[in-house]
Amino acid sequence: EVVLTQSPGTLSLSPGERATLSCRASQSVFNNLLAWYQQKPGQAPRLLIHDASIRTTGIPDRFSGSGSGTDFTLTISRLEPEDFAVYYCQQYETSPMFTFGQGTKLEIK
Amino acid sequence: QVQLQQSGPGLVKPSQTLSLTCVISGDSVSSNTFAWNWIRQSPSRGLEWLGRTYYRSKWYNEYAVSVRSRIIISPDTSRNQFSLHLNSVTPEDKAVYYCGRGQHNAIDVWGQGTTVTVSS
Repeated sequence: EVVLTQSPGTLSLSPGERATLSCRASQSVFNNLLAWYQQKPGQAPRLLIHDASIRTTGIPDRFSGSGSGTDFTLTISRLEPEDFAVYYCQQYETSPMFTFGQGTKLEIK
Repeated sequence: QVQLQQSGPGLVKPSQTLSLTCVISGDSVSSNTFAWNWIRQSPSRGLEWLGRTYYRSKWYNEYAVSVRSRIIISPDTSRNQFSLHLNSVTPEDKAVYYCGRGQHNAIDVWGQGTTVTVSS
């Protein structure tokens, strides 16, 4: 089973700043099938990025994903007030299918 | 626009079966493109994928190892919905349960979530 470790646990930044979130896998992610989600309190997660770097329809271009193998990054180029939330990475493998990281909380400094 | 509407009890007794339903609008449970998933979230376990059902000329079901012995996910084509049945629940199964549509090996549409407590 691939284990995903996200860092940092909490990131404190100000609107307008750049955010860099990391997701490291315990072994290579199959075909770089790595996704990123945003979750706000009381809401379901929202898919931002799939296949490591492809933005889902409707996601602003300030969100970008990169990486391959075991190291992946979600970058938010200029933080907007609505971007402060918890972010999760998720990978797909043939068994046990989907696993998620523990999350990074992005909070307002 | 695809929407998923969850229903089911928020309280289940220990050792009994947790049953939730997810009604699909704007898409079909029999789609040859998508898969229909259940995921749960708790403070202790984080986000945990439970399983999925999908149709590719025939029906397939795949389950997480952690719950494989006590889970059934079943489609209902007449009602365009799918259901989760998790038996022999314990307090460890307390969580927010989500249904979701799978595409690109990710979950691109989510239900609203159902908070389930296990207590007598």
